[in-house]
Amino acid sequence: GAVVSQHPSRVICKSGTSVKIECRSLDFQATTMFWYRQFPKKSLMLMATSNEGSKATYEQGVEKDKFLINHASLTLSTLTVTSAHPEDSSFYICSARDGQGSAYEQYFGPGTRLTVT
Amino acid sequence: QQQVKQSPQSLIVQKGGISIINCAYENTAFDYFPWYQQFPGKGPALLIAIRPDVSEKKEGRFTISFNKSAKQFSLHIMDSQPGDSATYFCAASYGSRLTFGEGTQLTVNP
Repeated sequence: GAVVSQHPSRVICKSGTSVKIECRSLDFQATTMFWYRQFPKKSLMLMATSNEGSKATYEQGVEKDKFLINHASLTLSTLTVTSAHPEDSSFYICSARDGQGSAYEQYFGPGTRLTVT
Repeated sequence: QQQVKQSPQSLIVQKGGISIINCAYENTAFDYFPWYQQFPGKGPALLIAIRPDVSEKKEGRFTISFNKSAKQFSLHIMDSQPGDSATYFCAASYGSRLTFGEGTQLTVNP
């Protein structure tokens, strides 16, 4: 149980275009979802926290107009990187918390590798 | 106050040996301490976690030791195997936020 999927697993886009990444909880209802960014050989940095039906809470230094997060249902959150630039190239990972389960555990998706050319 | 410091940055262990990774934190409000394993190109997977009211937790070959007064916790991997070669992250949680350590790249030689 507690499976989180991400789509796509990798994407290459041209500078200036927008890219949407989907995060789905497959077998549970995710009241809270999280988006992280990870650079090569570095740790995970929390970008934002989203609760179903409400606006995401962004971490300090994360541009909310650049990284649009939508959590429209209990099983789906999306991250849209708008007007992507090469410096946005990174590994983006989502996680989800089961609304019926532990208040502490987060289940992580497999990640999405974004390359902006 | 939100930092979690992890050491060592990298670790090489022989097959069958014990791998030990340490973490330290400052914020006494943290109330959940998980360890994650991450393989290249994959998302992190929860290995084992502990709450601060317990000093030790063991699951199979993995043990967390927790020292509340010293604000330190560690992961011990017994009988380390080449398949354990991965990056390990400690983390600490307060409310809904997870703060990750810098990671330890573990290599287990056959």
